Amino acid sequence: NAGVTQTPKFQVLKTGQSMTLQCAQDMNHNSMYWYRQDPGMGLRLIYYSASEGTTDKGEVPNGYNVSRLNKREFSLRLESAAPSQTSVYFCASSEGNRGAWSTDTQYFGPGTRLTVL
Amino acid sequence: AQTVTQSQPEMSVQEAETVTLSCTYDTSENNYYLFWYKQPPSRQMILVIRQEAYKQQNATENRFSVNFQKAAKSFSLKISDSQLGDTAMYFCAFMKAGTASKLTFGTGTRLQVTL
Repeated sequence: NAGVTQTPKFQVLKTGQSMTLQCAQDMNHNSMYWYRQDPGMGLRLIYYSASEGTTDKGEVPNGYNVSRLNKREFSLRLESAAPSQTSVYFCASSEGNRGAWSTDTQYFGPGTRLTVL
Repeated sequence: AQTVTQSQPEMSVQEAETVTLSCTYDTSENNYYLFWYKQPPSRQMILVIRQEAYKQQNATENRFSVNFQKAAKSFSLKISDSQLGDTAMYFCAFMKAGTASKLTFGTGTRLQVTL
């Protein structure tokens, strides 16, 4: 099993350009997440999908859109990239729907380093 | 909203020694989970250990153990017999129990293991 995979690993964009970050998991997980990591800060949740067909905003959703294409894939789109979106982006997945008394551990992909000039 | 605080931006420990990383959190929830993740220079986020708030027994995973003090809202990580491969950023994270399992992270502690 590959776990959680992300493409691309690195990307440089010019201000105003658009792009989509891809994420896929092969663990049959229900829930998927997108985080960003900035220097001196922990990871912050951008969007998440608790189950196939649903998406919700996280802590920092502005400037992003997501698509839960199917159970395996969850993409993050930057419609008009800005320098403030320069960051490392992580996708994660978890079993989800485990109820109040079960730990739902998230497993992370290797990250995408995005630079917006 | 939950907050997670890691007050030690950097720490250093000699190989084979023991080190403790601190984490405090603030929440009004009664049912939640706590995690420590490791991020080596490769940038990969790796789960180190997790603790369910309803369990009184502290979690252990080989050389890693936690000191979970629910009343004090404290969740420290102890690394015994430190190894060079333990050099990494360590993040403490909080998750409210339920179906939308969102993690709230602290700002991290950079740990350097030296010879």
